[in-house]
Amino acid sequence: AQRVTQPEKLLSVFKGAPVELKCNYSYSGSPELFWYVQYSRQRLQLLLRHISRESIKGFTADLNKGETSFHLKKPFAQEEDSAMYYCALMDSGGSNYKLTFGKGTLLTVNP
Amino acid sequence: DTGVSQDPRHKITKRGQNVTFRCDPISEHNRLYWYRQTLGQGPEFLTYFQNEAQLEKSRLLSDRFSAERPKGSFSTLEIQRTEQGDSAMYLCASSLNIGTGLFLGYTFGSGTRLTVV
Repeated sequence: AQRVTQPEKLLSVFKGAPVELKCNYSYSGSPELFWYVQYSRQRLQLLLRHISRESIKGFTADLNKGETSFHLKKPFAQEEDSAMYYCALMDSGGSNYKLTFGKGTLLTVNP
Repeated sequence: DTGVSQDPRHKITKRGQNVTFRCDPISEHNRLYWYRQTLGQGPEFLTYFQNEAQLEKSRLLSDRFSAERPKGSFSTLEIQRTEQGDSAMYLCASSLNIGTGLFLGYTFGSGTRLTVV
């Protein structure tokens, strides 16, 4: 069975500090990994996906198959980054495109 | 098109009552998904449709739950004989599947928050 683990429920950093939100996954197939973000009073939205290999709002995430991790990083956190972040996994070999989410990490960036 | 719409935004119901939620996806999206999110958890997959066909149901979807998408446009999720454990945020998402094996991503709705008292 596939599983996504986000070990930190809460993460608090100061503005300008580096931030890393951890995500580990368990899946025997070929996974596709995503980070979703939910800002206060807004709907869940895609932040980035590993196959795009892009940086969105200064965030990057690298898929490490050896460590089964997909940690989200940003070198200098901003107050507007405060939000709930969910890591999600999809079976890239299937066609249902359903996602398995982690429990989420609430990031607070303090001034 | 204003994105994925869900109605109502909030629903409070007494245990044992039936409730129905509606989701209006982005009009050109042929796939529609339902997820449930309880407190402290990430969203969990319930079911999905390709056009009007319901192609997969999670084991989370007990017999009291039924979902439809009659004309391949909007979808309804009905819960019969609600229980306190059904209290959750019910999220709808839609996507366009063009059959190439390329996942184009979801657009989520704002959700319906159900409270069973």
